[in-house]
Amino acid sequence: DAGVTQSPTHLIKTRGQQVTLRCSPKSGHDTVSWYQQALGQGPQFIFQYYEEEERQRGNFPDRFSGHQFPNYSSELNVNALLLGDSALYLCASSYRQGPEAFFGQGTRLTVV
Amino acid sequence: GENVEQHPSTLSVQEGDSAVIKCTYSDSASNYFPWYKQELGKRPQLIIDIRSNVGEKKDQRIAVTLNKTAKHFSLHITETQPEDSAVYFCAASRLNQAGTALIFGKGTTLSVSS
Repeated sequence: DAGVTQSPTHLIKTRGQQVTLRCSPKSGHDTVSWYQQALGQGPQFIFQYYEEEERQRGNFPDRFSGHQFPNYSSELNVNALLLGDSALYLCASSYRQGPEAFFGQGTRLTVV
Repeated sequence: GENVEQHPSTLSVQEGDSAVIKCTYSDSASNYFPWYKQELGKRPQLIIDIRSNVGEKKDQRIAVTLNKTAKHFSLHITETQPEDSAVYFCAASRLNQAGTALIFGKGTTLSVSS
């Protein structure tokens, strides 16, 4: 049974560029949430997708956007990258917006 | 919005001792409280959770207690082992149809020495 998978694992981008991160949820899960984890900090909630709609959003600017596909996979897009966007981006999946969230291994984004 | 504070930020114990990590939350509507363990370079893993209708939950050497009145919850690890060394995060969530966002504390680095 495949767990939550994310791609790529590492990424280096230049300030001002755009980036797309991808997530495949755990088998049987239909809800995807994205989190940003800065070094030495706890994960911060970005948004949650269920039934291909953004259901809940944290305190992140519009530069952060997402999408969920019919197969429940999801993308996180970040435009106009800033140095402060450098972080580990975690995807978590659950069933029917259930609370038990399982995390992927994350994508380490470095903005230079 | 919800704010979760976690203490201590670092905790060092000897193998076999107990470890306690405490969290407080601000939103009285929060009703789900999970704990995650994150080893260096790995994904956060759910180790135990508790809902607001329960005061205590145990799973082998791990237990969580919840005090809704005081708005705090704690993780208790007994008979600690070196493999318990990791960063532990508490979180709180208000479960409703709008979503199930987890609001995390800043983490506790637990070091268990043998």
